[in-house]
Amino acid sequence: DTEVTQTPKHLVMGMTNKKSLKCEQHMGHRAMYWYKQKAKKPPELMFVYSYEKLSINESVPSRFSPECPNSSLLNLHLHALQPEDSALYLCASSQPTSGSITDTQYFGPGTRLTVL
Amino acid sequence: KNQVEQSPQSLIILEGKNCTLQCNYTVSPFSNLRWYKQDTGRGPVSLTIMTFSENTKSNGRYTATLDADTKQSSLHITASQLSDSASYICVVSRIYNQGGKLIFGQGTELSVKP
Repeated sequence: DTEVTQTPKHLVMGMTNKKSLKCEQHMGHRAMYWYKQKAKKPPELMFVYSYEKLSINESVPSRFSPECPNSSLLNLHLHALQPEDSALYLCASSQPTSGSITDTQYFGPGTRLTVL
Repeated sequence: KNQVEQSPQSLIILEGKNCTLQCNYTVSPFSNLRWYKQDTGRGPVSLTIMTFSENTKSNGRYTATLDADTKQSSLHITASQLSDSASYICVVSRIYNQGGKLIFGQGTELSVKP
């Protein structure tokens, strides 16, 4: 199984809502990532988890809260978002080698988020 | 500054024709370079990955080249198909302990017309 799954595929939420994005992989990868991608732009790294611990937070606003409950799951909790947060949110995973994260990242299909 | 630049920004070709996409980078220290294909509204899918010592890698109709001296890469698509219409993203990985840092290019938007 070389698939990263994400749910939901689409999400529309108001600025006062609380919602969560979910990501799952069963490839045994121990590094998982959240990216944000605006239209016609490359993905921007938000968070990296390595061995279930947050290793990188790219100065993301606190209204985005990641969680890694176990080695296969990655969540992104959303609260009090702004319309400019509307984007495609991508999850990825990779297998870290020798303590550093390298190698191919496998991306999920993304969640299309619209904030009204 | 660590950057990846791609050209052209967009490209329209007829079905069955070949095309070449370019990628220049200034990323250091260099770990590897990958080409991803991204269909609209979908996640990127890896096409090829090359390390410093590799100068060509093929995946079906896709052939990537790497010149580590000039820091240039190209992706050649042979006998294009309508399904090749997508954004092609050049991604360079920095050697980065505890967190592999990927530097993304802006992508080339390829449109294959019948």
